[in-house]
Amino acid sequence: NAGVTQTPKFRILKIGQSMTLQCAQDMNHNYMYWYRQDPGMGLKLIYYSVGAGITDKGEVPNGYNVSRSTTEDFPLRLELAAPSQTSVYFCASSYRTGTTGGLTQYFGPGTRLTVL
Amino acid sequence: GENVEQHPSTLSVQEGDSAVIKCTYSDSASNYFPWYKQELGKRPQLIIDIRSNVGEKKDQRIAVTLNKTAKHFSLHITETQPEDSAVYFCAASSYNNNDMRFGAGTRLTVKP
Repeated sequence: NAGVTQTPKFRILKIGQSMTLQCAQDMNHNYMYWYRQDPGMGLKLIYYSVGAGITDKGEVPNGYNVSRSTTEDFPLRLELAAPSQTSVYFCASSYRTGTTGGLTQYFGPGTRLTVL
Repeated sequence: GENVEQHPSTLSVQEGDSAVIKCTYSDSASNYFPWYKQELGKRPQLIIDIRSNVGEKKDQRIAVTLNKTAKHFSLHITETQPEDSAVYFCAASSYNNNDMRFGAGTRLTVKP
């Protein structure tokens, strides 16, 4: 199992450019998430998905879009990059044990994005 | 929605001492409380978790306690070692929510 994989590892964008951050998992998890982590700060939820075809906004969705066409993939799209989007982006996947169990999350290695 | 507060934001201890990090949550429906360790430049990794049907869980030098009435949970690390130095995050989720909310993190430094 590769677990959760993310590409690219690093990227520098110019203001106004667009890009897609890729995330894939091979654990057959239904739940997938995108977080951003600013330097020295905690994790802020951008978007999440509970299954293919279903996505929901998190705490900080503005400036981002997602899609979930398969169980395995959950790409994050930045349309008009801004300096405020400079951050490390983590993708995570999880499963729920039973109907009331907790959501144990497994994180990818992250994508470090700089917008200049 | 759920709000998780974490204290302290930084903690410095001498090697061999104990470290305690505390978190409070707001949603009484929360029933799952994981703790993650994040080393510099790495991804967060689960180190221990606790569910609301137990009050304490231990794994070697790490323990987590939960007080549902007061809505707080704590991470205890005993006999700290320099390799315990990292940022620790608490989190909470509930059975009727599909997301997880994280605390702001505690930077633990263990001085040799």
